[in-house]
Amino acid sequence: NAGVTQTPKFRVLKTGQSMTLLCAQDMNHEYMYWYRQDPGMGLRLIHYSVGEGTTAKGEVPDGYNVSRLKKQNFLLGLESAAPSQTSVYFCASRREGRTDTQYFGPGTRLTVL
Amino acid sequence: GENVEQHPSTLSVQEGDSAVIKCTYSDSASNYFPWYKQELGKGPQLIIDIRSNVGEKKDQRIAVTLNKTAKHFSLHITETQPEDSAVYFCAASRGGSYIPTFGRGTSLIVHP
Repeated sequence: NAGVTQTPKFRVLKTGQSMTLLCAQDMNHEYMYWYRQDPGMGLRLIHYSVGEGTTAKGEVPDGYNVSRLKKQNFLLGLESAAPSQTSVYFCASRREGRTDTQYFGPGTRLTVL
Repeated sequence: GENVEQHPSTLSVQEGDSAVIKCTYSDSASNYFPWYKQELGKGPQLIIDIRSNVGEKKDQRIAVTLNKTAKHFSLHITETQPEDSAVYFCAASRGGSYIPTFGRGTSLIVHP
């Protein structure tokens, strides 16, 4: 049981390049989330999904797109990377129901030059 | 929407001392309050949580207290150890909501 995994762990992009971050969970969780973490800003929600085929915007969605084609995977895309998107990205998942514990992945450190 | 304030942003203690981190929330309908610990280079992990029908919960050296009237909850760590050094996040959410609201985090440093 690997929990929540993220690929890649590190990435350096040039301004204008595109990339996709992959999040996978093997806990059969319904809900999945993408956060970014910047110094002094805590965790800010980018997008989330409440089930396969669904996505919704969070607090800071601009410049990002997401897809949830399979229940276990949640993809975060940057179509045209900007230096302001330099951050550490965390994926999280949680099961449906009363318990609201989120399980986080190890993070992806992205630098945009 | 919900707003969670967390204090202090940095806390420095000597090994063996106690540490207290406080959070306040704004939505009286919030009923679930988890605390996460984030070690350097890792993702946050749940360490303890409390629901609104309970005033206090303990797990070995850590405890969480909740005051619904004042809308604040606190994390207490006793007999701190260097491995307690990490960033701690509080969060609040209401039943039926998909999205918890996080505090901005507290960097706890335990000096040997």
